[in-house]
Amino acid sequence: EPEVTQTPSHQVTQMGQEVILRCVPISNHLYFYWYRQILGQKVEFLVSFYNNEISEKSEIFDDQFSVERPDGSNFTLKIRSTKLEDSAMYFCASSGLWTGNEKLFFGSGTQLSVL
Amino acid sequence: AQTVTQSQPEMSVQEAETVTLSCTYDTSESDYYLFWYKQPPSRQMILVIRQEAYKQQNATENRFSVNFQKAAKSFSLKISDSQLGDAAMYFCAYRSVPGNTPLVFGKGTRLSVIA
Repeated sequence: EPEVTQTPSHQVTQMGQEVILRCVPISNHLYFYWYRQILGQKVEFLVSFYNNEISEKSEIFDDQFSVERPDGSNFTLKIRSTKLEDSAMYFCASSGLWTGNEKLFFGSGTQLSVL
Repeated sequence: AQTVTQSQPEMSVQEAETVTLSCTYDTSESDYYLFWYKQPPSRQMILVIRQEAYKQQNATENRFSVNFQKAAKSFSLKISDSQLGDAAMYFCAYRSVPGNTPLVFGKGTRLSVIA
């Protein structure tokens, strides 16, 4: 089965630093997502992306966050100035269709630790 | 806003036995989708089963089946003939019908399988 690839698997950074989390969605997919999971809490939606623009974003996705699809394969999440509370597992996901019951393919996540 | 509640933080089952994981949700919508995702130690989120709310018939995927009670807003997952490889975190998720809307996740249930 095709896979969504995320790099790095672990990222440690100092508070206030910028981080870029990278994702390679499945090649023929058109819809891309970032979710995050703070330890012990539920998985939360951050942002969805289609046709080179944000489709929807949550309250978590403030001005410190941005997403980009710099080329035909990568999908990145940037946090400009990390805070301690940004420490979480970040999941990228992609899907091929618009329909609500479409299967989302998730990556294995990037564990971000902000010190 | 929709919410998803999983009231069992942890469950355990003997190998080859059957276990049921509970999920309830709150919504004012009449049509929507429900999902169960599995997160093994590899941390990748894997779709186990999905259900369209307009379908009365409960979804089944091999050893996995659901008991969908729309009036009660309940969506439990039954795993039959449990295997060691079923040990994982299981997340219940909700999605509105308009395409590309975010998944709303519960906090998860950690399932242990005892040999």
